[in-house]
Amino acid sequence: GAGVSQSPRYKVAKRGQDVALRCDPISGHVSLFWYQQALGQGPEFLTYFQNEAQLDKSGLPSDRFFAERPEGSVSTLKIQRTQQEDSAVYLCASSLAYQPQHFGDGTRLSIL
Amino acid sequence: RKEVEQDPGPFNVPEGATVAFNCTYSNSASQSFFWYRQDCRKEPKLLMSVYSSGNEDGRFTAQLNRASQYISLLIRDSKLSDSATYLCVVLRSGGSQGNLIFGKGTKLSVKP
Repeated sequence: GAGVSQSPRYKVAKRGQDVALRCDPISGHVSLFWYQQALGQGPEFLTYFQNEAQLDKSGLPSDRFFAERPEGSVSTLKIQRTQQEDSAVYLCASSLAYQPQHFGDGTRLSIL
Repeated sequence: RKEVEQDPGPFNVPEGATVAFNCTYSNSASQSFFWYRQDCRKEPKLLMSVYSSGNEDGRFTAQLNRASQYISLLIRDSKLSDSATYLCVVLRSGGSQGNLIFGKGTKLSVKP
């Protein structure tokens, strides 16, 4: 079925490089969320979009993290000048308004 | 103190056993509660919402105690396929609809 699709599935980058992670939500889902999950931890909220509007970015850990959803569908999470502590699984989820969130498989980011 | 706390386990139980997981949350204004299941290297999936009156879905029963700020999940007649990490999740009060707060998860291993 057409679930939430994330790419790439795995990303390895050197410290200091910029990375871009893509999320393709379920068609028709107005709400889109990004989470960061470190090893052995639960997912931690990063940011939330309703259509193209970024309504909550309180979870972004620093100004190196930037997310956009310009046309209200696909979203990109960009991390600039990556650091080793950015290594984690980045999960995207989408939902209809006020309905349960459906998660993608995630992007496993490793910073060397 | 983390907003949502769980015993990380692991819980190792034989098939057919009954097992209970507990979770506490710190924000008394929280309104919505969930249990998610996450298999190894997979995305979290909603298992069930938790209602004040308690609710049951087949072999799974969820309970909420608002006075004690305590949530539980009971699994009866456990199956090998129940082996996973169970995440206690609270919707952050006053936050956007997407601001789910996850516990670290409790790992369950069901043995033959």
